Amino acid sequence: EVQLVQSGAEVKKPGDSLKISCEASGYTFSDYCIGWVRQLPGKGLEWMGVIYFRDSDIRYSPSFRGQVTLSADKSVNTAYLQWSALKASDTAMYYCARGRGHSFGNSKWIFDHWGQGTLVTVSS
Amino acid sequence: DVQMSQSPPFLSASVGDRVTITCRASQSIATYLNWYQQKSGKAPNLLIHDASNLESGVPSRFIGSGSGTDFILTINNLQPEDVGSYHCQQSFSVPLSFGGGTRVQIK
Repeated sequence: EVQLVQSGAEVKKPGDSLKISCEASGYTFSDYCIGWVRQLPGKGLEWMGVIYFRDSDIRYSPSFRGQVTLSADKSVNTAYLQWSALKASDTAMYYCARGRGHSFGNSKWIFDHWGQGTLVTVSS
Repeated sequence: DVQMSQSPPFLSASVGDRVTITCRASQSIATYLNWYQQKSGKAPNLLIHDASNLESGVPSRFIGSGSGTDFILTINNLQPEDVGSYHCQQSFSVPLSFGGGTRVQIK
């Protein structure tokens, strides 16, 4: 069974750093990519970026480039999303999702399995 | 960048009704369009990919159609468990983008 299990909810202060995780199981990690999606409270979905494990390629949405960093550790089948200095406006639910395709060139960007979400709250 | 819009933002219908949700792209995206259902407090779930292909395990009352810039998600025989939000997403080019979502409620 394909599963994406995300780390637990976080409460942080503005300026704090944070790294959240998404552990995959039930499939061959490197055959798919992992995308990250933000959902602000009561709002729609926003694509943040995608990471490919075979060649370590990372693509960011222009809206999030420079604001977050995507990474992965293939040895533990885990993808990460991190911030170096959080802002109150980063308060949101963050989802990881498995995307079809193992490289940018053959990616179909169809997200067929999702993590349960990690709620990040940034407040002074 | 491809911009996506959805309508209506909210709809209320009775059990057994047929409902339609429209998604429009700012440029042609062929059939690179996916639909997700999101129930309250849960992660999105893939319903339809490539405009009209039903994902495994999804009830056949969900039907996707369209190509180019205009797409429709039809839910036939609306059921109480269909309550939630529905999001379209273009997979034509990066940056990927979603529509604003449509919230479906039962009357």
